[in-house]
Amino acid sequence: DGGITQSPKYLFRKEGQNVTLSCEQNLNHDAMYWYRQDPGQGLRLIYYSQIVNDFQKGDIAEGYSVSREKKESFPLTVTSAQKNPTAFYLCASRRGARENTEAFFGQGTRLTVV
Amino acid sequence: AQTVTQSQPEMSVQEAETVTLSCTYDTSESDYYLFWYKQPPSRQMILVIRQEAYKQQNATENRFSVNFQKAAKSFSLKISDSQLGDAAMYFCAYRSAIRNDKVIFGPGTSLSVIP
Repeated sequence: DGGITQSPKYLFRKEGQNVTLSCEQNLNHDAMYWYRQDPGQGLRLIYYSQIVNDFQKGDIAEGYSVSREKKESFPLTVTSAQKNPTAFYLCASRRGARENTEAFFGQGTRLTVV
Repeated sequence: AQTVTQSQPEMSVQEAETVTLSCTYDTSESDYYLFWYKQPPSRQMILVIRQEAYKQQNATENRFSVNFQKAAKSFSLKISDSQLGDAAMYFCAYRSAIRNDKVIFGPGTSLSVIP
């Protein structure tokens, strides 16, 4: 079935370590997005990519990095520079950045710093 | 910059009754899209309904309908005949049709359905 897969579902990180969250889609979508969700704050955009080998910073990009080497994959790295990384992370994709289509979401990754 | 506000952090409704969730937004653009997403306890985000700003007719999807007031920048969601499965977080969202890049979300409303 077509969809977006995020892995792992739960992730624990020690302070000072980098960690990478996976996001893969087989929907042939051009645009992909990473959001962070904290209680009471809705979803905030970290990074987005409208096409392979291109990405832009969102509203809260500091302490995060991404790559878009393949259309299907948009991994997010949470670096040690991110001061408060414990959160729920959602990946989304959309058919075309310039098209009138809604975003489809993965099931999320819960990251906890221990 | 565009912003989306949901002034009701929590709402409750009796099963089979009707409830309305509020959403207001701020933008200087005239062409945009509005969405309501549902996030149940599984945390999977699901699109409930969408509205194009250039359309005057309010969108409807089965028991879900919107009241889109463009001049007032208001986009409320009405759920009729509420069911237990409607219990979830509901997020209002905005996307520009011009820049067409990122979706801006409101803080969400937690809806409880009372049996």
